[in-house]
Amino acid sequence: KQEVTQIPAALSVPEGENLVLNCSFTDSAIYNLQWFRQDPGKGLTSLLLIQSSQREQTSGRLNASLDKSSGRSTLYIAASQPGDSATYLCAVRPLDSNYQLIWGAGTKLIIKP
Amino acid sequence: NAGVMQNPRHLVRRRGQEARLRCSPMKGHSHVYWYRQLPEEGLKFMVYLQKENIIDESGMPKERFSAEFPKEGPSILRIQQVVRGDSAAYFCASSPDPVRSSKNIQYFGAGTRLSVL
Repeated sequence: KQEVTQIPAALSVPEGENLVLNCSFTDSAIYNLQWFRQDPGKGLTSLLLIQSSQREQTSGRLNASLDKSSGRSTLYIAASQPGDSATYLCAVRPLDSNYQLIWGAGTKLIIKP
Repeated sequence: NAGVMQNPRHLVRRRGQEARLRCSPMKGHSHVYWYRQLPEEGLKFMVYLQKENIIDESGMPKERFSAEFPKEGPSILRIQQVVRGDSAAYFCASSPDPVRSSKNIQYFGAGTRLSVL
């Protein structure tokens, strides 16, 4: 059974720092992995999607990597800003499903001005 | 092109009442997914629907919960005789045909936060 874990559960860093969020999954048989951002009281915003054949994806100050064999993904945020404060969720799509997403519990990130 | 619309945003019910959560998918999407997020936990898949069909309800409790996606109108997640443990955020997502779309990106609504008193 696929399980997704995100460590740490919460992180607080000063503005301007580069930081890394971690996501691990127990079964490497995945189709893709996605990173989402969740703001309080708002919906989920997809940040980056990495197909299983890819190693990384970049969007602006965000870079996500995927090591399928070790069951790990990282989300790197460069030059963090207070506006980056949110909960970051990762989700994997198992190979045996066209639609199901298995989610981690998220990392709550606070960027201090 | 409006995104996925969920209403209400917040819903308060007393134990034993019924809760109805609505979801209108993005224009052109005919596939809807419901997820539940308990406090401090990740989202859990509940049910996947196409127009007028339930495709997969394996994540939905067998009792008190039901979902529909009629030919006309929004998808409805219905919870009868709510209990305190039903308090959670309920998210709806929509997508184009997941079989034909290699990425099957799901677009999420803002969620409905249900509080049961």
